[in-house]
Amino acid sequence: QSMLTQSPSASGTPGQRVTISCSGSSSNIGSNYIYWYQQFPGAAPKLLIYKNDQRPSGIPDRFSGSKSGTSASLAISGLRSADEAQYYCASWDDSLSGVVFGGGTKLTVV
Amino acid sequence: QLQLQQSGPGLVRPSETLSLTCTVSGGSISADSLYWGWIRQPPGKGLEWIGTIYQSGSTYYSPSLESRVTISVDAPKNQLSLRLSSVTAADTSVYYCAKGYSHGPVYFDSWGQGTQVTVSS
Repeated sequence: QSMLTQSPSASGTPGQRVTISCSGSSSNIGSNYIYWYQQFPGAAPKLLIYKNDQRPSGIPDRFSGSKSGTSASLAISGLRSADEAQYYCASWDDSLSGVVFGGGTKLTVV
Repeated sequence: QLQLQQSGPGLVRPSETLSLTCTVSGGSISADSLYWGWIRQPPGKGLEWIGTIYQSGSTYYSPSLESRVTISVDAPKNQLSLRLSSVTAADTSVYYCAKGYSHGPVYFDSWGQGTQVTVSS
């Protein structure tokens, strides 16, 4: 059972804006930054968002992150078929003194 | 641009020790502000953090694995290592090494290619 909760699936049509949510607690999201990773089948994860809303170099501004209280969201605008992947949220947990990941959300572009 | 190349056996017997190596190229493993982690992913499941080692030598391990795991750095060889003892079938996973930099302990911006490790007799 992951300490961060994500919906198992999400979907959208090309061009649409979709949001993927991540719910945690006061010991993780509530007091620490949220990070988002994208993973394609058979590939290593890729960092999409760090420190709640920052994008690493090379990540398009179609991807954006936000945090409120003990929840966070990843928004993808101008959805493309190439965005079809698994998305994971992650944070530091003070009670565990460790990194915790969400269970992942599989995004389907229909 | 640092690159991470993983190596190690793909099959480990139950009760034995899993050992993986991650060789860093394109820069020094000891460069300022870098830290190194291991993350694993069981078949069809999500990501699980194993642990992180910092330049100071300090290590943080997942509480669920702490009694069995050791992460170390061999600076002259530019290598990161993972050892996980007393493995069981539940340790069957793809194992990833990853590089972190400065932006918090959850920031991993370069990853190895992954190593599929199966625990089976």
